Amino acid sequence: GESVGLHLPTLSVQEGDNSIINCAYSNSASDYFIWYKQESGKGPQFIIDIRSNMDKRQGQRVTVLLNKTVKHLSLQIAATQPGDSAVYFCAENNNDYKLSFGAGTTVTVRA
Amino acid sequence: DSGVTQTPKHLITATGQRVTLRCSPRSGDLSVYWYQQSLDQGLQFLIQYYNGEERAKGNILERFSAQQFPDLHSELNLSSLELGDSALYFCASSADGLGDEQYFGPGTRLTVT
Repeated sequence: GESVGLHLPTLSVQEGDNSIINCAYSNSASDYFIWYKQESGKGPQFIIDIRSNMDKRQGQRVTVLLNKTVKHLSLQIAATQPGDSAVYFCAENNNDYKLSFGAGTTVTVRA
Repeated sequence: DSGVTQTPKHLITATGQRVTLRCSPRSGDLSVYWYQQSLDQGLQFLIQYYNGEERAKGNILERFSAQQFPDLHSELNLSSLELGDSALYFCASSADGLGDEQYFGPGTRLTVT
């Protein structure tokens, strides 16, 4: 499953498929980006981060891609599992000591 | 478990009242950040402290204040509470206070009736 375009609030994906969550950020001066996963009733959980001097970074089953030209960030989740169902937020650091969060994408994994 | 702790987990109070939310950062982290999460506003940055000093301020109302103590725990004080203050309040911490790599606590759910 893939959320295309700037941002879709929901994404439904079949278990075992790959997921792609997209995010458009606002400030071309931002030099740090981070993805969080938030499950119902819990705080945001760090997934993966990337600095602006990189285009790609891989973690365990996750990959973050950064396209500075179009100010676009994406999170790819390989072999999506039911436990991946959550709201995913991207956030950027504009060099002002804080994170600015996107609206979030709700991912639902179908069995 | 992020290592950031917040108390209380839930808080129900009436309009006009004052409450204090508490946060303990991860061991070794010098900076704490407070965020408000409501259904229609998403995650909004309120304020940041680094090693006891205020470093950055966001959309924090004048009725709200915070501080960070010498042992690095932080408190967020909300006064003259209004119905619209009902939200989840999260604390995050980081090592260097530059805004990167923040780890969030479980949050305090505030309900104002």
